[in-house]
Amino acid sequence: GAVVSQHPSRVICKSGTSVKIECRSLDFQATTMFWYRQFPKKSLMLMATSNEGSKATYEQGVEKDKFLINHASLTLSTLTVTSAHPEDSSFYICSGGGHTDTQYFGPGTRLTVL
Amino acid sequence: GIQVEQSPPDLILQEGANSTLRCNFSDSVNNLQWFHQNPWGQLINLFYIPSGTKQNGRLSATTVATERYSLLYISSSQTTDSGVYFCAVALNTGTASKLTFGTGTRLQVTL
Repeated sequence: GAVVSQHPSRVICKSGTSVKIECRSLDFQATTMFWYRQFPKKSLMLMATSNEGSKATYEQGVEKDKFLINHASLTLSTLTVTSAHPEDSSFYICSGGGHTDTQYFGPGTRLTVL
Repeated sequence: GIQVEQSPPDLILQEGANSTLRCNFSDSVNNLQWFHQNPWGQLINLFYIPSGTKQNGRLSATTVATERYSLLYISSSQTTDSGVYFCAVALNTGTASKLTFGTGTRLQVTL
């Protein structure tokens, strides 16, 4: 199967700082990638669709100025949490698809904002 | 939007037991996938199964699209099967199709 990596796997930051999370497709090209957020013992919630070379599409209720998404190439999408606050602490997961209908997921990034 | 409910929410099994997990969805879908989220958070693809039956080792899945449900069967469970099982659906096919995740079934397999 296709492999997706995320970096960092874990980050702790102070309130008010910005954090960038990278999502890379290692063995396939992804025109579209997705960003999810997962709270403890809850399901995954789609935050936004990242489109290579164009603006991201955000789900209802997700602040686009808070969660900046850039999809600069067919193998890299980044999520920047700007001016992070404790309520932004969560598990962030990205995914992408190759040439099939199957989505492949990164290992996730655990963000803790103090 | 589409609603996806999974049952049971929690399940404890002794090693070697069999189990059936269910996924109900509220609308017709063209894309359904089952995932296992391991204790470290990694989602592992189990099946892409918008319809029909598939088997992979001790796991098998069946989707009855006309009745809007899918079942995941785990036979001879092992402790490594522990984690959360999610089904996820999309109205469309293709790599740009947005998945809606179910509520999950948390499985614990004990010795």
